[in-house]
Amino acid sequence: DQQVKQNSPSLSVQEGRISILNCDYTNSMFDYFLWYKKYPAEGPTFLISISSIKDKNEDGRFTVFLNKSAKHLSLHIVPSQPGDSAVYFCAASESAGNMLTFGGGTRLMVKP
Amino acid sequence: EPEVTQTPSHQVTQMGQEVILRCVPISNHLYFYWYRQILGQKVEFLVSFYNNEISEKSEIFDDQFSVERPDGSNFTLKIRSTKLEDSAMYFCASSRSNAGELFFGEGSRLTVL
Repeated sequence: DQQVKQNSPSLSVQEGRISILNCDYTNSMFDYFLWYKKYPAEGPTFLISISSIKDKNEDGRFTVFLNKSAKHLSLHIVPSQPGDSAVYFCAASESAGNMLTFGGGTRLMVKP
Repeated sequence: EPEVTQTPSHQVTQMGQEVILRCVPISNHLYFYWYRQILGQKVEFLVSFYNNEISEKSEIFDDQFSVERPDGSNFTLKIRSTKLEDSAMYFCASSRSNAGELFFGEGSRLTVL
């Protein structure tokens, strides 16, 4: 089941630069998208979300972009900080409820 | 800051044994969930629970699994007869509504030998 896919298993970025994490989905019924961050030995922590009626949502250093026609979303972190180093999961749900379908995650490493 | 708490953090059990994983969701949340992550794989939905009943469940959530909210604070996941493939990190989550973000606990690691 590959309804939500994160094609890059890892990403390395220099501190202060932009981190761009990508996510693709195949289910056209998805209308709510979220990004979670996960540190080792911890549960996923909510970062930012976007509904399908928008194409951009911004919260501080984090911006999520949604391209519905391409079924693609991305998370931009700028400027990146060493504390941002974690695994980032993209997740999606249909309007019926909160059953989240997760991508496989991208490990972000921000180098000082 | 309110958080979802899970116990135990790690449980080792023999195949065929019953296991109960416990969760205390955030107090004013109404929707409760269990997800799991097998090592090296995706986080997968198991079940959602609202108003004292299951609202959705995945194919993974077969007859060996059950959930319960025995009192006003706890939310439990029971696996009746564990199998080797049940070894995973189990995450409890809660949300205020069915249209908002989920807040996850730190997980309970289950190892079935």
